[in-house]
Amino acid sequence: AQSVSQHNHHVILSEAASLELGCNYSYGGTVNLFWYVQYPGQHLQLLLKYFSGDPLVKGIKGFEAEFIKSKFSFNLRKPSVQWSDTAEYFCAVSPTLAGNNRKLIWGLGTSLAVNP
Amino acid sequence: GAVVSQHPSWVICKSGTSVKIECRSLDFQATTMFWYRQFPKQSLMLMATSNEGSKATYEQGVEKDKFLINHASLTLSTLTVTSAHPEDSSFYICSAREIQTGTYEQYFGPGTRLTVT
Repeated sequence: AQSVSQHNHHVILSEAASLELGCNYSYGGTVNLFWYVQYPGQHLQLLLKYFSGDPLVKGIKGFEAEFIKSKFSFNLRKPSVQWSDTAEYFCAVSPTLAGNNRKLIWGLGTSLAVNP
Repeated sequence: GAVVSQHPSWVICKSGTSVKIECRSLDFQATTMFWYRQFPKQSLMLMATSNEGSKATYEQGVEKDKFLINHASLTLSTLTVTSAHPEDSSFYICSAREIQTGTYEQYFGPGTRLTVT
């Protein structure tokens, strides 16, 4: 079965620390990859996405992610986090199957707390 | 652009009653909308996929007679929780997929908090 695994459930960092959140998926075919963020009390927002081309994608607010096909991974990174990055981060994968409606398969999320 | 709204943002109802939640794409057309349920501190659980003009596709384990979905237009989908019970209390989120760009990106609504007493 297709699944998405986020390795870190809770991460606590100090401001200016570097961030890397792991995401692996299990599916052998072509996928579209997403990272979403949910700030406290707010709705889900797209951070970045990968469809094709350069496997290193840059998103909003200084985030980037690298798609490594051989490792089925799409890790999220930010060189220097801020207190305002405190949020829930979700990795999602959409297998490009015909008739699949391109629905998203979600990881369980990572709760990031950044201490000022 | 690409704004999705939900109404109401929160609702409290008595056990046994029905509640309707609306999901609207405000500035784009969406042939497909998705309904999710989110439990506290957990990920999103896809309930059903709603396609305009056709019957919704429900995920395994989701009762289609309890969670009625109607997608009557390219900008509106509704979820009706029928004969609600306290265990239906949850955060319901919809998303809409834009058709023009072909990117299959989903835009999310702010969610509806349902509390059944």
